[in-house]
Amino acid sequence: DAGVIQSPRHEVTEMGQEVTLRCKPISGHDYLFWYRQTMMRGLELLIYFNNNVPIDDSGMPEDRFSAKMPNASFSTLKIQPSEPRDSAVYFCASSPAGAYGYTFGSGTRLTVV
Amino acid sequence: AQSVTQPDIHITVSEGASLELRCNYSYGATPYLFWYVQSPGQGLQLLLKYFSGDTLVQGIKGFEAEFKRSQSSFNLRKPSVHWSDAAEYFCAVGAWSGGGADGLTFGKGTHLIIQP
Repeated sequence: DAGVIQSPRHEVTEMGQEVTLRCKPISGHDYLFWYRQTMMRGLELLIYFNNNVPIDDSGMPEDRFSAKMPNASFSTLKIQPSEPRDSAVYFCASSPAGAYGYTFGSGTRLTVV
Repeated sequence: AQSVTQPDIHITVSEGASLELRCNYSYGATPYLFWYVQSPGQGLQLLLKYFSGDTLVQGIKGFEAEFKRSQSSFNLRKPSVHWSDAAEYFCAVGAWSGGGADGLTFGKGTHLIIQP
């Protein structure tokens, strides 16, 4: 089992550019979560999916953020346009139904300059 | 709304000494409680979880936690720490909705430093 795979591991981009973060959940996991981690705010839930359907996106900070899950093995988190305050580590996690134990990916460290 | 408080931002413990990390939660119903550990540059790893039943739960790496409903606490303990336990520790609370997982709410974390 390769675990939850996120790419890229590091991303540096200029303000105003579009950024796309990618996540491959563990095969068979029905739930996928996107979290953001900053020193000031800690870990914040952005959005989560169940069977590829977005269930709760109330944590998405603003319209510049969007997330999709076109199939069970792939999800993206897009920021357009990016701003310096978006700099953070973005984690993806997946969980099987009925087991309630997230497995986290290694995260993407995003720096917007 | 649910919330988690980890009162200690940093804790320093000597190698071989016992450890207790505090966690207090606020939640209207029966909570599902978790402890995660994060090493530098890594994702979060699940140490243990509490759903129901025995209030003392055992986890990986020799950790245990005790759920105390009357105190709204879920403190993490280890009898003897090793230098490799130095990391960031997160307590989290969640709900179970319609048979499926719900998003977890995390505390701000406790940074554990191990002195030789």
